[in-house]
Amino acid sequence: RKEVEQDPGPFNVPEGATVAFNCTYSNSASQSFFWYRQDCRKEPKLLMSVYSSGNEDGRFTAQLNRASQYISLLIRDSKLSDSATYLCVVNPNAGNNRKLIWGLGTSLAVNP
Amino acid sequence: DVKVTQSSRYLVKRTGEKVFLECVQDMDHENMFWYRQDPGLGLRLIYFSYDVKMKEKGDIPEGYSVSREKKERFSLILESASTNQTSMYLCASSSGVHEQYFGPGTRLTVT
Repeated sequence: RKEVEQDPGPFNVPEGATVAFNCTYSNSASQSFFWYRQDCRKEPKLLMSVYSSGNEDGRFTAQLNRASQYISLLIRDSKLSDSATYLCVVNPNAGNNRKLIWGLGTSLAVNP
Repeated sequence: DVKVTQSSRYLVKRTGEKVFLECVQDMDHENMFWYRQDPGLGLRLIYFSYDVKMKEKGDIPEGYSVSREKKERFSLILESASTNQTSMYLCASSSGVHEQYFGPGTRLTVT
């Protein structure tokens, strides 16, 4: 089992739709989680950090389910500009570990 | 805002050349990272550093070396470039165990 797994998609949705992505992780000791977005041929940019059960920022909501070892990202009222690849990222344990484990990403296309 | 800069956006080198990629961050972060990203393979960690003059191998260090002489600067060196090192190279920095911030990337082509 991969350390971080995501459905690669692509997810094709119309403008205004609600779309959700899931990400599963294998290390139950993982402490912190992140969602990044990456536009084509650009660097990843932090979208949200998830340190407890969840986080909300405008149209974006991230939720953490420790029992089932997954995190989700919900995007409401999708915009054309939301088209990107969304990367799920996990810090596998606490302490001094500085490395992050990156998923391969989920591709989203929002269509007019 | 955190700013991470990389020395070149695009680079074309010949097989066997020595290649230097430089990364500078302005947020006094102690951790710096070098990744490469290839289609279908995602981000793969080459090396990282958690302090000046300290370095640790990532998942794919073969063919690469790094240098960190100053806190704000982290260099990636390809001692003898090969065609399989054609890739997008991304530098990142972080503080503690928190989120990483990326530079714009260097797209390296080795011919």
